Amino acid sequence: NAGVTQTPKFRVLKTGQSMTLLCAQDMNHEYMYWYRQDPGMGLRLIHYSVGEGTTAKGEVPDGYNVSRLKKQNFLLGLESAAPSQTSVYFCASSYNGGTYEQYFGPGTRLTVT
Amino acid sequence: GENVEQHPSTLSVQEGDSAVIKCTYSDSASNYFPWYKQELGKRPQLIIDIRSNVGEKKDQRIAVTLNKTAKHFSLHITETQPEDSAVYFCAANAGGTSYGKLTFGQGTILTVHP
Repeated sequence: NAGVTQTPKFRVLKTGQSMTLLCAQDMNHEYMYWYRQDPGMGLRLIHYSVGEGTTAKGEVPDGYNVSRLKKQNFLLGLESAAPSQTSVYFCASSYNGGTYEQYFGPGTRLTVT
Repeated sequence: GENVEQHPSTLSVQEGDSAVIKCTYSDSASNYFPWYKQELGKRPQLIIDIRSNVGEKKDQRIAVTLNKTAKHFSLHITETQPEDSAVYFCAANAGGTSYGKLTFGQGTILTVHP
């Protein structure tokens, strides 16, 4: 039981390049989330999904897109990377929304130059 | 939307002392308040949470209290140990929905000196 995994662990992009971050969970959770973590700002919700085939915007969605084609996977895409997207990205999943614990992945450190 | 403020931003204590971190929230409909611990370079991990139908919850050396009227909740760590050194985040959910959207505080860097 691997829990929540993220690929890749590190990535350096040039401004304007695109990439996709993959999150996978093997706990059969319905809900999945993407956060970004910047120094002094805690974690901020980018997008989330309440089930396979659904996505919704969080607090800071601009410049990102997501897809949830399979229940176990949640993809975060950057179409045209900008230096402001330099951050650590965490994926999380929970059995249900509301008051259930969110389990976090190990994170992806992204640098955009 | 929900706004969560966390204080202090840094906290330094001697081993064996108690540590208290406080958070306030703005959405009166919020009903779930987790606390996460994050060690350097690691993922956030839940250490304790509280739901709005209780005022206090304890788990060994860790306790959380909730005051819904004042809209604030606090983390209490007793008999601190060096391994408690980490960044601690409070959070509150967007009440009134079942989507589990959490708003996090800015974090508290706790340092426990041996």
